[in-house]
Amino acid sequence: GAGVSQSPRYKVAKRGQDVALRCDPISGHVSLFWYQQALGQGPEFLTYFQNEAQLDKSGLPSDRFFAERPEGSVSTLKIQRTQQEDSAVYLCASSLAESYNEQFFGPGTRLTVL
Amino acid sequence: GDSVTQMEGPVTLSEEAFLTINCTYTATGYPSLFWYVQYPGEGLQLLLKATKADDKGSNKGFEATYRKETTSFHLEKGSVQVSDSAVYFCALSRAGGGNKLTFGTGTQLKVEL
Repeated sequence: GAGVSQSPRYKVAKRGQDVALRCDPISGHVSLFWYQQALGQGPEFLTYFQNEAQLDKSGLPSDRFFAERPEGSVSTLKIQRTQQEDSAVYLCASSLAESYNEQFFGPGTRLTVL
Repeated sequence: GDSVTQMEGPVTLSEEAFLTINCTYTATGYPSLFWYVQYPGEGLQLLLKATKADDKGSNKGFEATYRKETTSFHLEKGSVQVSDSAVYFCALSRAGGGNKLTFGTGTQLKVEL
């Protein structure tokens, strides 16, 4: 079956622009996670959804970052007024249920802010 | 807070050599432990996992044992192949927090003929 998909795969933005990154989880997966991976580093947690409810947003680095999953399926990570330090790969992962701890990752969106 | 420390790379080995990548963790309670692998140009894939102390996770010839007394989850493989060249990430998650993952910084493995 289809895995987790993300779009766009690459995004170049000028500093100050707003961007929107999309994640399509595996069908039927209840849990959805966003991670940020800086160059040469491991992924870092940003936020977590269970269905449409955002249960944990403790990893969002600033109020410029906003995520939503309005129908409990597709999710969008929005970054307002992008800064150079936002340049990273943004990974989305989904999991069958909260009690099931294996996460399946998408290919990521590489964001470059000039 | 939770953290994972793994050995820095790159690690360069000859084909058929023995591999060890060290991983230690700090966490409250009883986390689940994972090794993820990222092949060039591909997304993160789960390699193996262990959910309680003394469990051994294994897959594709790789093994790791959950050692609570040393808070470690070292990755081993008896005979590496060129196709094992990738970046390996050790990670943990705790139930009750949605099972969000805390990753180490990754170790790049290069296997040469």
